[in-house]
This record gives sequence, C-alpha cells and structure tokens, in this order.
Amino acid sequence: EAGVTQFPSHSVIEKGQTVTLRCDPISGHDNLYWYRRVMGKEIKFLLHFVKESKQDESGMPNNRFLAERTGGTYSTLKVQPAELEDSGVYFCASSQYGALTDTQYFGPGTRLTVL
Amino acid sequence: AQSVTQLDSHVSVSEGTPVLLRCNYSSSYSPSLFWYVQHPNKGLQLLLKYTSAATLVKGINGFEAEFKKSETSFHLTKPSAHMSDAAEYFCVVTSDSGGYNKLIFGAGTRLAVHP
Repeated sequence: EAGVTQFPSHSVIEKGQTVTLRCDPISGHDNLYWYRRVMGKEIKFLLHFVKESKQDESGMPNNRFLAERTGGTYSTLKVQPAELEDSGVYFCASSQYGALTDTQYFGPGTRLTVL
Repeated sequence: AQSVTQLDSHVSVSEGTPVLLRCNYSSSYSPSLFWYVQHPNKGLQLLLKYTSAATLVKGINGFEAEFKKSETSFHLTKPSAHMSDAAEYFCVVTSDSGGYNKLIFGAGTRLAVHP
C-alpha cells in the first residue's frame, strides 16, 4: 500500500511568488491534514479536511494560504504571495476515521525556502 | 488547552546503552499520545501510540513508553541504543477540537548515538 506522498520535495522561490504544494493521501483515507514546521519551532497544525470539506482551518496563518481538496482525493496548499516567514517544512498526513484514537500517517514533507 | 513538553532538546548516548526521552503533557481530558520519529531527510514515522488501553506501550524497533497519568508523563525508552536510532523524536498529544484528531507536537528531541 502506498503511503502519503507529497510534491515537490523541495521548492525555492522568491518573495512575492506563488507556490503550490500537493499531497496525495493513502487511498481510502477521508481525513487529510496539513502541518508545518518553521525553523526552530514546533510542528504546528494548519488545517483538516474530511473528504472535500474543511473541518478545521484554525491553524492557517493568514489569507495568503489557500488549501483545497477537490473531489476528496489529493489536496493542494497554495501560498500567494509567499513571504520570508513562510519558509519551513510542510507536512501532510492522512487518517481513515479522524477519531481521537486514529493514527495519522505522514508524508515526507515539502521543504519550502522563500528568498 | 492541551500542550506537550519535551524536557530535553538533545540527548546523546553511547551505542548499547539505554535511551530515555522525556515527555510531559497537559490535557483537560484523557488524550491519545504518540511518539513519532524523523530520520534525516525522511518523513515522520509512528513509533507507538497510547489510546487508554495498556499503560505500557510497545512500539517498533524495541522502543516502549509508559503512560503515567499521575505524573502526566509519557517517556520513551529503549534498553539498548543502536546507531540507526539517531534521529529526531516527537512526543504528540491529541487535541479535542470538536471530537476530531488535531495533533499537538512537542518541540522534538534530537537523539545522537555514539560508537
């Protein structure tokens, strides 16, 4: 069974540009999560999809970030325009049920560098 | 509000000696607790999880953790370190945001293993 995949693995962009990160969850997992880790900080929750619906987007830092999950399969996270403080590693995770006891399976992350 | 404190940012051990990575949590309910590991240039891998069953939880690669409610601790141990254990370890607690599983991460502990 394929795990969670993320693309690209690395992205280097200039301040003000746009970047789109993609996440493909494990097949059959209705729950998809985005997290990020900025330099020297904890990994922080960004948002949670149940199928195509945003269940919780309380961790999204501002309106420069837009997440979508059309059709309830893969998800994209767009940053527009990117700022220096957006640099970090963006992780995607998926789980089958979303319950408190459920395990979230993480992808390898996308390392974003904004210059 | 839930929170996680990993008491050591760096731990260094010799190969073959025991490993202890300390974690304390705070929660207003009975949470699920996890330990994840991230090897260099790899994604987050689940080591073990506690979900209110047995308080001593066994994970992969010889790791185990004990849930102690009275001490609000969930320390990770391994009897004998191996060079391949060198990685960053994260203690994680679930956040009860409307019944869904949003994870709260500790700051991470980097484990170094010396020959």
